[in-house]
Amino acid sequence: AQSVTQLGSHVSVSEGALVLLRCNYSSSVPPYLFWYVQYPNQGLQLLLKYTSAATLVKGINGFEAEFKKSETSFHLTKPSAHMSDAAEYFCAVSEIGNQFYFGTGTSLTVIP
Amino acid sequence: NAGVTQTPKFRVLKTGQSMTLLCAQDMNHEYMYWYRQDPGMGLRLIHYSVGEGTTAKGEVPDGYNVSRLKKQNFLLGLESAAPSQTSVYFCASSSLKLYEQYFGPGTRLTVT
Repeated sequence: AQSVTQLGSHVSVSEGALVLLRCNYSSSVPPYLFWYVQYPNQGLQLLLKYTSAATLVKGINGFEAEFKKSETSFHLTKPSAHMSDAAEYFCAVSEIGNQFYFGTGTSLTVIP
Repeated sequence: NAGVTQTPKFRVLKTGQSMTLLCAQDMNHEYMYWYRQDPGMGLRLIHYSVGEGTTAKGEVPDGYNVSRLKKQNFLLGLESAAPSQTSVYFCASSSLKLYEQYFGPGTRLTVT
């Protein structure tokens, strides 16, 4: 069975500081991994995805994530936080590409 | 290209009433999904469809039914609404090749 764990339901960073949002997954086979962002009262938007190509994946808005098989992790990072990055972030995993399992989300607050 | 659209955006029901949520996509995607989003619980899959005329249960299917008579539409029905079904409902679609989901803007449902 697949599952996703996002450590920290709330993360606060200062503007300009490093953003690190953690995601660990369990999967019996090499998975597809995703990060989505949700702004208030909106649907989810894909930030980036890993589909067994390069382990360091670059996404939109300056975000990137690294797939580490040995740690079963797919942490999301951004070198310098902007106020516009304040949102809810979801990690998701899929083994066979047509069923997706989501973490419970991490709310990112950016402090001016 | 509208992507994924959902109708209605908001709805208030009384316990025992029924309603249908409509999801439409114009990307010719094979897969479609219905999720519910509740605070602290992330997104949970209700039902999904891998093609026209086929549907399958997800993680939390009880109290919901679905139909996919046309490839572009995926309907979610509540036959007898309960307060526990108060939630935000998201529809998503994905293609066989891209392994990423595109989300609609959501429907906020309140059952009193």
